[in-house]
This record gives sequence, structure tokens and C-alpha cells, in this order.
Amino acid sequence: DAGVTQSPTHLIKTRGQHVTLRCSPISGHKSVSWYQQVLGQGPQFIFQYYEKEERGRGNFPDRFSARQFPNYSSELNVNALLLGDSALYLCASSLVSPTGQETQYFGPGTRLLVL
Amino acid sequence: DQQVKQNSPSLSVQEGRISILNCDYTNSMFDYFLWYKKYPAEGPTFLISISSIKDKNEDGRFTVFLNKSAKHLSLHIVPSQPGDSAVYFCAARDYGQNFVFGPGTRLSVLP
Repeated sequence: DAGVTQSPTHLIKTRGQHVTLRCSPISGHKSVSWYQQVLGQGPQFIFQYYEKEERGRGNFPDRFSARQFPNYSSELNVNALLLGDSALYLCASSLVSPTGQETQYFGPGTRLLVL
Repeated sequence: DQQVKQNSPSLSVQEGRISILNCDYTNSMFDYFLWYKKYPAEGPTFLISISSIKDKNEDGRFTVFLNKSAKHLSLHIVPSQPGDSAVYFCAARDYGQNFVFGPGTRLSVLP
């Protein structure tokens, strides 16, 4: 079975540009979350989508937006890129059990470098 | 404010011995805890989880202990193997909310 896939794997942009990152969840998973991981820190939550609805948003500026499609894949968009947006962007998909426990499974990430 | 803390940035252990990775949290509403392992150039891989109604969960060489009164959990790896060398993240969830990750501990298992 395919795990979570993300594209592209690497990306170089310049300040002020816009970027779109893509994620396909594990088959059957309806929830997708996005995280930003900068060097030396743990993943920081950006967004969660469930059944195409935004379920949660972390402490990120409005330059960050996301959406989920009918096939449960997702896009993360970042406008007006800043140098500080350089990071590994991780996508995770999850399946919530009847007991409410949820395990997130991560993709390999997209490494974004803003020059 | 870090709600999930991993105060040891790194840990070195001899192959075959026990590795103990620690995690502390501040939010008493957290009800579910997970450990992830991350190799370079890969996404985090789920290892083991524990619900707040339990104090121990075991899966092969990995055991997670939860002390709710101390707001502390630990991951024990026995016996440690060189392939266990990676960065380990502790994560916690407030039911209905989202996951909060610690900064990670780099484990090195020496042959």
C-alpha cells in the first residue's frame, strides 16, 4: 500500500514568490494535516482538513492557506514568501478510530528553500 | 510556550543496552501521546502511542510509560540497536484538537 506522498520533494523560490505544495493521503484516510519543521525543532502544526473542511489552524499568518479536494488530496499554498519560510513541510494523513484515537502518518516532506 | 518538552537534545547508548527518552508536557488536557522516529530526509515514522487512561503500552522492543500526575512520559527501547539511531519526537493531543510535537531527541546507538 502506498503511504502518504508529497510533491515536489525539493523547491527553491525567491522572496515574494508564491508556492503550492501537494499531498496525497493514504487510501481511506479522510484527514490531512500540514506541518512546518525548521531545523532543530519539532513539526509545528499549520492546518488540518477533514472531509474537505478546515478542522484546525495553527499560529501561522494568512499568507498560508490550504484546501482539500474530493479525493482527499490536499494543497498547501504560501504567498509572499519570506526567508523564514524555508523549512521542511510535512503532510500527515490520519484515520480516527471509533475510540477517538488518531495516529498521523507522515509523508517524506517537501524541502522549501527561499532565497 | 512549549507545551511539549524534550529536555535532552541528544543521547548516546551502547548497542544492546536500554535507551530511555523522556518527554514532559504542561497541558493537563492532553489525552493521547505518541512517539515518532525520524531519519534524515524522511518524514517522521509512527512508533507507539498511549492513551491517558493507561500508564504503559508495549510493542516489541518499545515501551512507553505515562505518569499523568507528573505530566511525564518516557520511551524505553530494549535492546537498543544501531538502526535505532534517529531523532525521536514526542507528540501529544488534546482531544478534538491537534497534535503538538516536542523538539526531538537525537539518539545515537553505538556498536
